[in-house]
Amino acid sequence: DTGVSQNPRHKITKRGQNVTFRCDPISEHNRLYWYRQTLGQGPEFLTYFQNEAQLEKSRLLSDRFSAERPKGSFSTLEIQRTEQGDSAMYLCASSLENRYNEQFFGPGTRLTVL
Amino acid sequence: QKEVEQDPGPLSVPEGAIVSLNCTYSNSAFQYFMWYRQYSRKGPELLMYTYSSGNKEDGRFTAQVDKSSKYISLFIRDSQPSDSATYLCAMSANNQGGKLIFGQGTELSVKP
Repeated sequence: DTGVSQNPRHKITKRGQNVTFRCDPISEHNRLYWYRQTLGQGPEFLTYFQNEAQLEKSRLLSDRFSAERPKGSFSTLEIQRTEQGDSAMYLCASSLENRYNEQFFGPGTRLTVL
Repeated sequence: QKEVEQDPGPLSVPEGAIVSLNCTYSNSAFQYFMWYRQYSRKGPELLMYTYSSGNKEDGRFTAQVDKSSKYISLFIRDSQPSDSATYLCAMSANNQGGKLIFGQGTELSVKP
């Protein structure tokens, strides 16, 4: 399967702990996006990369959130000092640079903060 | 007011019905319009992609964009129980690098 993959699929953590999620995009896609989706809502944009460069970050991405894509392939999203409000589905998507509106999503990582 | 408004439903129809799903938006800079289907606890799946105004058809699905009214629609013909899912509209502008703005999603149930 050459789609977008995300790990882990589920994560349960206690408030105050740090968590890290991984996204592996479609191999030829040089753009990678992170979105957050809460129950009953559409995904909200968090940040995106072109190759290894992080080009935009949403105001939703507080200082506790950091994303990296060190070699322009997979990406990680880290949340430090998790809060209950961070509980959500974290979605990763990828696209070709010249077709950036055609984004293909992974299955998501569901985070529950207790 | 949200940039993209979508009735959350739920919408329940009998198998074989024609389904109409809609979104309105406020940002006149939006040029790209997408429809995604999302099954429960899965990631969104791209269904249709339209640039600017007009219609696009793909099998049982037809997407329409009316930029003058800031209104987009997705029609599903001969709906099937397997179409039961949440349908999300998404939009973006030329200068936003692919940042998609999503509607809330409409939950659709097609009854056999």
